[in-house]
Amino acid sequence: KNEVEQSPQNLTAQEGEFITINCSYSVGISALHWLQQHPGGGIVSLFMLSSGKKKHGRLIATINIQEKHSSLHITASHPRDSAVYICAVLIRDDKIIFGKGTRLHILP
Amino acid sequence: DAGVIQSPRHEVTEMGQEVTLRCKPISGHNSLFWYRQTMMRGLELLIYFNNNVPIDDSGMPEDRFSAKMPNASFSTLKIQPSEPRDSAVYFCASSFVNEQYFGPGTRLTVT
Repeated sequence: KNEVEQSPQNLTAQEGEFITINCSYSVGISALHWLQQHPGGGIVSLFMLSSGKKKHGRLIATINIQEKHSSLHITASHPRDSAVYICAVLIRDDKIIFGKGTRLHILP
Repeated sequence: DAGVIQSPRHEVTEMGQEVTLRCKPISGHNSLFWYRQTMMRGLELLIYFNNNVPIDDSGMPEDRFSAKMPNASFSTLKIQPSEPRDSAVYFCASSFVNEQYFGPGTRLTVT
């Protein structure tokens, strides 16, 4: 079993829909990252969080440490949100474990 | 700051050749990470440095891979000899406190 599991693996939605991507992990962590990888390959860090909730524009990330679960939400989704979203957990000594990613496709 | 800089952006080489990938971290960052991304395995951590010292190289696939960080502003990842299964995108990232900033990656193709 992978230490970091993301769901769904692939998601296609219509423009404007509310999107939720989930990440569950089985190890103790110090922080969790949500990354966005665009079709061109570049990786951008969206959020780093260790508790609660963070919001940036139309993106919201939440984490429940007790349940070892995080969600990334996109409100009013847009075709430019189409990308691969990767959950990564930071464990001791700066070691990081990645999920397999969720490929999101927003249709106009 | 220009962000994390990697070179080359693309590399095509024949198997058996030596390949050197380069990374310049963001100034002031004290940790540097090398990652490999493939379709089959996703993103994998190869090695990371803290204050120029290798901390964890357990992700380095085999002895053909080596990484150095001679100073705070430069790191190399070397593959010698290269094999077709090394074809991947190699990312470098740097951080100061936990949050990592990724470089644009080097797409390596070994034929």
